[in-house]
Amino acid sequence: DGGITQSPKYLFRKEGQNVTLSCEQNLNHDAMYWYRQDPGQGLRLIYYSQIVNDFQKGDIAEGYSVSREKKESFPLTVTSAQKNPTAFYLCASNPRDGYEPQHFGDGTRLSIL
Amino acid sequence: QKEVEQDPGPLSVPEGAIVSLNCTYSNSAFQYFMWYRQYSRKGPELLMYTYSSGNKEDGRFTAQVDKSSKYISLFIRDSQPSDSATYLCAMSARTDKLIFGTGTRLQVFP
Repeated sequence: DGGITQSPKYLFRKEGQNVTLSCEQNLNHDAMYWYRQDPGQGLRLIYYSQIVNDFQKGDIAEGYSVSREKKESFPLTVTSAQKNPTAFYLCASNPRDGYEPQHFGDGTRLSIL
Repeated sequence: QKEVEQDPGPLSVPEGAIVSLNCTYSNSAFQYFMWYRQYSRKGPELLMYTYSSGNKEDGRFTAQVDKSSKYISLFIRDSQPSDSATYLCAMSARTDKLIFGTGTRLQVFP
């Protein structure tokens, strides 16, 4: 079954702690994306990557970091610099060439302890 | 002003009703238009995708794009309780960055 797998489903962060959210896809897509979803605000783009070893900041990158060492993996680290990390985090992917809409994983809900 | 405006609802309709969901936008460069359905605690699921203007039909769902008015719609015929979800419009000028509406919560009661 092809798709996007996000883990864990729920994550709790203590003050001053960095946490890493996993996103893996087996769709052979070049491009991958991280969004944050807050009630009443829709999805906002954090980071995206069009190709391995390259990524760009989205609209709300402060307090987050990413890496893209493998085509199928795009982990997101929420650092202690992100003061309001409680949100639903969504990973998406699509092919880089032509146009195919982004497909999403089932998200990780991050809360502060 | 937001680039994409969407009424948050909630919209509550009886089973079998025709539902109309809408978004307006301000960027005339948008040319890719999508509707996603999102159930509670799940990721968005692509429902409809339209390139440029026109209509597209898939079963009970019809998507319309009016670029002259900067207005897109999703119609759901014969609505079912299983259609109860949040519906997100999304659009893009290029193949990478999507701009999302805030979502409309739909409730279909039996």
